[in-house]
Amino acid sequence: KQEVTQIPAALSVPEGENLVLNCSFTDSAIYNLQWFRQDPGKGLTSLLLIQSSQREQTSGRLNASLDKSSGRSTLYIAASQPGDSATYLCAVRRNAGNNRKLIWGLGTSLAVNP
Amino acid sequence: NAGVTQTPKFQVLKTGQSMTLQCAQDMNHEYMSWYRQDPGMGLRLIHYSVGAGITDQGEVPNGYNVSRSTTEDFPLRLLSAAPSQTSVYFCASSTPWTPYEQFFGPGTRLTVL
Repeated sequence: KQEVTQIPAALSVPEGENLVLNCSFTDSAIYNLQWFRQDPGKGLTSLLLIQSSQREQTSGRLNASLDKSSGRSTLYIAASQPGDSATYLCAVRRNAGNNRKLIWGLGTSLAVNP
Repeated sequence: NAGVTQTPKFQVLKTGQSMTLQCAQDMNHEYMSWYRQDPGMGLRLIHYSVGAGITDQGEVPNGYNVSRSTTEDFPLRLLSAAPSQTSVYFCASSTPWTPYEQFFGPGTRLTVL
């Protein structure tokens, strides 16, 4: 059974620091992995999606990597800003086609302090 | 495009009442789903649909009904609200083509007294 773990559950860093959020999964047979951001009281915003055949994806100051063999993805945030404060969730998609269920981690709550 | 929209944003119900949470998307997505989010439990799938007329159960379907009469709309019905259904509910849809990226609505915060 696929399980997704995100460690740490919470992280507090000073502004300007480069940081890495971790996402681990137990079954390497995945279709893709998606990182989301959730602001307090809000919905989820898709940040990056990595297909199983890819090693990384970049968007602005964000870089997500995927290592299927070790069951791990990381989200790298460069030069963090207070506006990056949010909860970051990762989700693994097992299959393509009609069964597109996502398996979710519990998230890492990030606080970037001015 | 408005994306995925949900109404209402907030709702308070009494135990035993019924109500419908509305969800609509204007992106012509086949796949739509409903989640609930509770502290310490993460996102749990309630029901999902792979197209108009087709629905299926997720992890926690008890107490909820869905229907999908059009591609755009996917309402979630609470049949007889219970305090255990106090939660934040999210509707999501995903593109019909690979990589099936998922998009979320803003959520409905439901309290059952």
